Amino acid sequence: DIHMTQSPSSLSASVGDRVTITCRASQNIDRHLNWYQQKPGKAPKLLIYAASNLHTGVPSRFSGSGSGTDFTLTISSLQPEDFATYYCQQSYRVPPLFGGGTKVETK
Amino acid sequence: EVQLLQSGAEVKKPGESLRISCAGSGYRFTRYWIAWVRQMPGQGPEWMGSIDPSDSYTSYNPSFQGHVTMSIDKSISSAYLQWSSLKASDTAMYYCARLSVSGNSDLDYWGQGTLVTVSS
Repeated sequence: DIHMTQSPSSLSASVGDRVTITCRASQNIDRHLNWYQQKPGKAPKLLIYAASNLHTGVPSRFSGSGSGTDFTLTISSLQPEDFATYYCQQSYRVPPLFGGGTKVETK
Repeated sequence: EVQLLQSGAEVKKPGESLRISCAGSGYRFTRYWIAWVRQMPGQGPEWMGSIDPSDSYTSYNPSFQGHVTMSIDKSISSAYLQWSSLKASDTAMYYCARLSVSGNSDLDYWGQGTLVTVSS
């Protein structure tokens, strides 16, 4: 299996901050990396697919980058509705495992 | 509008059987694979497997193979996840989700989740 490691596991930030979350794959996954946002009691929502493509309706303050084993999700200016947990997922090989998550909390 | 509507919460005893459902609407159901995802309390999502609604071809995560069964009823645009003998460790939230056609196995729309509680 290809395992995904996210860092940090949690972070504290304020509205307006630039936030960066990283995800590392246990082997090369090219650009087969997706990002999801999950709020408490809700299903995850797709933010970015194939490393850098924004899903329909996702605000442009979200962006993704990376290839190979190292990937980044950036929120350019954190908004109140962005406090949530974020997960990466590799889709290079079955099973498409998720990372452990990064919880973005208010400072 | 694409929607995946899942069946309601279940409380079962160990050893009992269960089938939960996921009804798709707002799109051509047979065109998109459906995945099932488990999320245990306080944990991240886990990919259980996926099924092609056009022919019911399945692909299971080896970690779940043999313990759950995925199926489809095309006539009512519904997917199912079933257990023949539940364990306490099956207590979790279960989501169905649609695989996009991007070819990237991303899950572009999700159901609201079905909470399964297994307790004696």
